[in-house]
Amino acid sequence: AQSVTQPDIHITVSEGASLELRCNYSYGATPYLFWYVQSPGQGLQLLLKYFSGDTLVQGIKGFEAEFKRSQSSFNLRKPSVHWSDAAEYFCAVGESSASKIIFGSGTRLSIRP
Amino acid sequence: DADVTQTPRNRITKTGKRIMLECSQTKGHDRMYWYRQDPGLGLRLIYYSFDVKDINKGEISDGYSVSRQAQAKFSLSLESAIPNQTALYFCASQTGSGGYNEQFFGPGTRLTVL
Repeated sequence: AQSVTQPDIHITVSEGASLELRCNYSYGATPYLFWYVQSPGQGLQLLLKYFSGDTLVQGIKGFEAEFKRSQSSFNLRKPSVHWSDAAEYFCAVGESSASKIIFGSGTRLSIRP
Repeated sequence: DADVTQTPRNRITKTGKRIMLECSQTKGHDRMYWYRQDPGLGLRLIYYSFDVKDINKGEISDGYSVSRQAQAKFSLSLESAIPNQTALYFCASQTGSGGYNEQFFGPGTRLTVL
């Protein structure tokens, strides 16, 4: 069965520091992978997605993610975080056969001034 | 205006009460979804619908029911609410087929069952 693991429940980084959020997936075929962000009190918003082509994908708000098939990973990165990046981040994998998305448990990001 | 709206945004109810959460979308999407979010568990799928006549159970459908009144409307009901249904509930919509299309989420409904 497909699954998504986000090993870090909570991460705190200093404003201006770089960020990497980890995501590992389990899926038999080529996965459709997503990162969503949930700001406090709001719904989820898509940051970026991968389903083919270049393994380094660019998203909104300066985020990028790299698909590594050999490691079954899709880690999210940002070179320099801003206080407004404080939110919860969800990695997800799409099931093409059933039009469903399976979400990881989320990583809460806090920003230290 | 928001593309996916949910009402109410907050609701407190008592054990045993019937409650309905409503969702509307203006994006013209055929697919709609209901999730619940619990701390540390991410989002879990309750029900999903590919069109008005196609309703499917998700991974945690027990204790819930849904109705797809129109392409744009998808409501979630708790027939007899219990405290462990206290959670944040999200509705989402998606266009087309396949697992690679973006889902658009509503702002969520925070439900508390006492």
